Amino acid sequence: KAGVTQTPRYLIKTRGQQVTLSCSPISGHRSVSWYQQTPGQGLQFLFEYFSETQRNKGNFPGRFSGRQFSNSRSEMNVSTLELGDSALYLCASSLGQTNTEAFFGQGTRLTVV
Amino acid sequence: GESVGLHLPTLSVQEGDNSIINCAYSNSASDYFIWYKQESGKGPQFIIDIRSNMDKRQGQRVTVLLNKTVKHLSLQIAATQPGDSAVYFCAERRVEYGNKLVFGAGTILRVKS
Repeated sequence: KAGVTQTPRYLIKTRGQQVTLSCSPISGHRSVSWYQQTPGQGLQFLFEYFSETQRNKGNFPGRFSGRQFSNSRSEMNVSTLELGDSALYLCASSLGQTNTEAFFGQGTRLTVV
Repeated sequence: GESVGLHLPTLSVQEGDNSIINCAYSNSASDYFIWYKQESGKGPQFIIDIRSNMDKRQGQRVTVLLNKTVKHLSLQIAATQPGDSAVYFCAERRVEYGNKLVFGAGTILRVKS
Protein backbone atom coordinates (compact mmCIF):
# COMPACT_ATOMS: atom_id res chain seq x y z
CA LYS A 1 0.00 0.00 0.00
CA ALA A 2 1.08 3.57 -0.56
CA GLY A 3 2.97 5.24 2.26
CA VAL A 4 2.63 8.70 3.71
CA THR A 5 2.98 11.36 1.04
CA GLN A 6 4.16 14.84 1.81
CA THR A 7 4.22 17.68 -0.68
CA PRO A 8 6.19 19.57 -1.65
CA ARG A 9 9.52 17.92 -0.83
CA TYR A 10 11.46 21.17 -0.87
CA LEU A 11 10.39 24.75 -0.41
CA ILE A 12 12.18 28.08 -0.21
CA LYS A 13 10.33 31.03 1.24
CA THR A 14 11.18 34.57 2.29
CA ARG A 15 10.84 35.91 5.81
CA GLY A 16 7.35 37.21 6.47
CA GLN A 17 5.68 34.97 3.93
CA GLN A 18 3.37 32.13 4.79
CA VAL A 19 3.53 28.50 3.71
CA THR A 20 1.19 25.52 3.52
CA LEU A 21 2.44 21.96 3.64
CA SER A 22 0.38 18.94 2.74
CA CYS A 23 0.27 15.38 4.04
CA SER A 24 -1.69 12.42 2.72
CA PRO A 25 -1.75 9.61 5.28
CA ILE A 26 -1.85 5.90 4.58
CA SER A 27 -5.26 4.86 3.34
CA GLY A 28 -7.50 4.06 6.27
CA HIS A 29 -5.40 5.94 8.81
CA ARG A 30 -7.31 8.60 10.66
CA SER A 31 -4.60 10.18 12.77
CA VAL A 32 -2.06 12.63 11.40
CA SER A 33 0.68 14.20 13.50
CA TRP A 34 3.18 16.86 12.50
CA TYR A 35 6.73 17.26 13.72
CA GLN A 36 9.46 19.79 13.18
CA GLN A 37 13.02 18.48 12.91
CA THR A 38 16.04 20.75 13.29
CA PRO A 39 19.68 20.01 14.14
CA GLY A 40 19.42 22.07 17.32
CA GLN A 41 16.07 20.97 18.71
CA GLY A 42 15.68 17.53 17.20
CA LEU A 43 12.19 16.20 16.56
CA GLN A 44 9.52 18.37 18.14
CA PHE A 45 5.80 17.59 18.16
CA LEU A 46 3.63 20.26 16.57
CA PHE A 47 0.10 18.86 16.68
CA GLU A 48 -2.07 15.82 16.06
CA TYR A 49 -5.36 15.58 14.21
CA PHE A 50 -7.85 12.76 14.44
CA SER A 51 -11.14 12.73 12.54
CA GLU A 52 -10.73 16.40 11.63
CA THR A 53 -10.20 17.47 15.26
CA GLN A 54 -6.98 18.70 16.79
CA ARG A 55 -6.30 16.39 19.73
CA ASN A 56 -2.93 17.59 20.94
CA LYS A 57 -0.74 20.60 20.41
CA GLY A 58 2.95 21.12 21.09
CA ASN A 59 4.72 24.19 22.37
CA PHE A 60 4.81 26.22 19.19
CA PRO A 61 3.55 29.76 18.62
CA GLY A 62 0.17 30.43 17.09
CA ARG A 63 1.83 31.08 13.71
CA PHE A 64 1.82 27.30 13.34
CA SER A 65 -1.60 25.88 12.56
CA GLY A 66 -3.09 22.90 10.88
CA ARG A 67 -6.23 21.20 9.80
CA GLN A 68 -7.49 17.84 8.68
CA PHE A 69 -10.03 17.12 6.00
CA SER A 70 -12.75 14.47 5.89
CA ASN A 71 -10.51 12.20 3.80
CA SER A 72 -7.86 12.42 6.57
CA ARG A 73 -5.48 14.48 4.48
CA SER A 74 -3.87 17.19 6.55
CA GLU A 75 -2.27 20.55 5.96
CA MET A 76 -0.14 22.66 8.19
CA ASN A 77 0.35 26.36 7.77
CA VAL A 78 3.07 28.64 9.04
CA SER A 79 2.43 32.36 8.83
CA THR A 80 4.89 35.24 9.08
CA LEU A 81 7.86 32.97 8.49
CA GLU A 82 11.04 33.48 10.47
CA LEU A 83 14.54 32.27 9.69
CA GLY A 84 14.26 29.87 12.62
CA ASP A 85 11.37 28.09 10.95
CA SER A 86 13.80 26.51 8.52
CA ALA A 87 13.47 22.81 9.20
CA LEU A 88 12.35 19.44 7.99
CA TYR A 89 8.62 19.10 8.62
CA LEU A 90 7.50 15.53 9.06
CA CYS A 91 4.04 14.09 8.97
CA ALA A 92 3.19 10.83 10.74
CA SER A 93 0.17 8.68 10.05
CA SER A 94 -1.42 6.31 12.55
CA LEU A 95 -4.36 3.97 12.22
CA GLY A 96 -6.37 4.94 15.27
CA GLN A 97 -6.42 7.06 18.36
CA THR A 98 -3.76 5.23 20.30
CA ASN A 99 -1.30 3.38 18.13
CA THR A 100 2.36 3.11 18.85
CA GLU A 101 3.40 2.53 15.28
CA ALA A 102 3.46 5.83 13.46
CA PHE A 103 4.42 5.88 9.80
CA PHE A 104 6.38 8.90 8.71
CA GLY A 105 6.57 10.59 5.36
CA GLN A 106 9.84 11.78 3.86
CA GLY A 107 9.17 15.30 5.01
CA THR A 108 9.13 18.75 3.51
CA ARG A 109 12.40 20.65 3.72
CA LEU A 110 11.52 24.30 4.31
CA THR A 111 14.20 26.94 3.95
CA VAL A 112 13.42 30.50 4.99
CA VAL A 113 15.71 33.17 3.57
CA GLY B 1 10.35 20.86 29.03
CA GLU B 2 9.72 17.27 28.09
CA SER B 3 12.78 15.36 27.08
CA VAL B 4 13.85 11.87 26.20
CA GLY B 5 17.55 11.19 25.66
CA LEU B 6 19.30 14.53 25.69
CA HIS B 7 22.55 13.43 24.01
CA LEU B 8 23.47 12.80 20.39
CA PRO B 9 26.41 10.43 20.56
CA THR B 10 27.96 8.58 17.66
CA LEU B 11 28.49 4.86 17.83
CA SER B 12 30.89 3.18 15.41
CA VAL B 13 30.80 -0.61 15.17
CA GLN B 14 32.38 -3.19 12.96
CA GLU B 15 30.09 -5.08 10.60
CA GLY B 16 28.97 -8.29 12.26
CA ASP B 17 29.38 -6.99 15.80
CA ASN B 18 26.47 -6.28 18.13
CA SER B 19 25.42 -2.67 18.72
CA ILE B 20 23.90 -1.20 21.84
CA ILE B 21 22.26 2.20 21.66
CA ASN B 22 21.23 3.86 24.89
CA CYS B 23 18.61 6.38 25.86
CA ALA B 24 17.75 8.09 29.13
CA TYR B 25 14.20 9.30 29.63
CA SER B 26 12.71 11.68 32.15
CA ASN B 27 8.98 10.98 32.17
CA SER B 28 8.20 8.02 34.41
CA ALA B 29 4.51 8.26 33.44
CA SER B 30 5.16 7.12 29.87
CA ASP B 31 3.14 4.11 28.71
CA TYR B 32 5.22 3.09 25.73
CA PHE B 33 8.81 3.47 24.63
CA ILE B 34 9.63 3.21 20.97
CA TRP B 35 12.73 3.07 18.81
CA TYR B 36 12.87 4.70 15.39
CA LYS B 37 15.52 4.59 12.70
CA GLN B 38 16.09 7.50 10.35
CA GLU B 39 18.20 7.14 7.25
CA SER B 40 19.51 10.11 5.35
CA GLY B 41 16.78 11.83 3.37
CA LYS B 42 13.99 9.75 4.87
CA GLY B 43 11.51 10.03 7.67
CA PRO B 44 11.85 7.97 10.87
CA GLN B 45 10.94 4.33 10.57
CA PHE B 46 9.44 2.30 13.43
CA ILE B 47 11.70 -0.47 14.71
CA ILE B 48 10.25 -1.83 17.93
CA ASP B 49 8.30 -0.72 20.97
CA ILE B 50 7.92 -1.81 24.57
CA ARG B 51 5.19 -1.20 27.08
CA SER B 52 6.14 0.36 30.37
CA ASN B 53 5.14 -2.80 32.28
CA MET B 54 7.71 -4.89 30.42
CA ASP B 55 11.47 -4.99 30.74
CA LYS B 56 12.46 -6.76 27.56
CA ARG B 57 11.10 -7.31 24.10
CA GLN B 58 12.70 -9.01 21.13
CA GLY B 59 12.23 -8.52 17.42
CA GLN B 60 14.11 -9.61 14.37
CA ARG B 61 17.79 -8.94 15.20
CA VAL B 62 16.74 -6.29 17.72
CA THR B 63 16.06 -6.34 21.44
CA VAL B 64 14.80 -3.47 23.55
CA LEU B 65 15.51 -3.36 27.28
CA LEU B 66 13.71 -1.08 29.71
CA ASN B 67 15.04 -0.28 33.17
CA LYS B 68 12.46 1.85 34.92
CA THR B 69 14.50 2.09 38.11
CA VAL B 70 17.14 4.21 36.41
CA LYS B 71 14.89 5.43 33.56
CA HIS B 72 17.01 3.85 30.91
CA LEU B 73 16.13 2.31 27.56
CA SER B 74 18.45 0.46 25.22
CA LEU B 75 18.29 -1.00 21.74
CA GLN B 76 20.49 -3.95 20.92
CA ILE B 77 21.13 -4.81 17.30
CA ALA B 78 22.63 -8.22 16.63
CA ALA B 79 25.11 -8.83 13.81
CA THR B 80 25.10 -5.19 12.73
CA GLN B 81 25.02 -4.65 8.98
CA PRO B 82 25.98 -1.67 6.80
CA GLY B 83 22.29 -1.07 6.17
CA ASP B 84 21.86 -0.41 9.88
CA SER B 85 23.83 2.83 9.56
CA ALA B 86 21.40 5.60 10.46
CA VAL B 87 20.30 7.88 13.27
CA TYR B 88 18.35 6.07 15.97
CA PHE B 89 15.79 7.84 18.11
CA CYS B 90 14.07 6.71 21.24
CA ALA B 91 10.63 8.11 21.84
CA GLU B 92 7.99 7.88 24.50
CA ARG B 93 4.25 8.03 24.42
CA ARG B 94 1.50 8.44 26.98
CA VAL B 95 -1.84 6.98 26.01
CA GLU B 96 -3.71 9.99 27.41
CA TYR B 97 -1.92 12.16 24.84
CA GLY B 98 -2.99 10.04 21.89
CA ASN B 99 -0.33 9.45 19.28
CA LYS B 100 1.96 12.27 20.41
CA LEU B 101 5.57 11.14 20.50
CA VAL B 102 8.32 12.80 22.53
CA PHE B 103 11.64 12.07 20.89
CA GLY B 104 15.16 11.92 22.21
CA ALA B 105 18.02 13.69 20.49
CA GLY B 106 19.18 10.60 18.63
CA THR B 107 22.30 8.46 18.24
CA ILE B 108 24.27 8.13 15.04
CA LEU B 109 25.22 4.54 14.26
CA ARG B 110 28.07 4.02 11.79
CA VAL B 111 28.85 0.52 10.62
CA LYS B 112 32.35 -0.10 9.35
CA SER B 113 32.85 -2.78 6.71
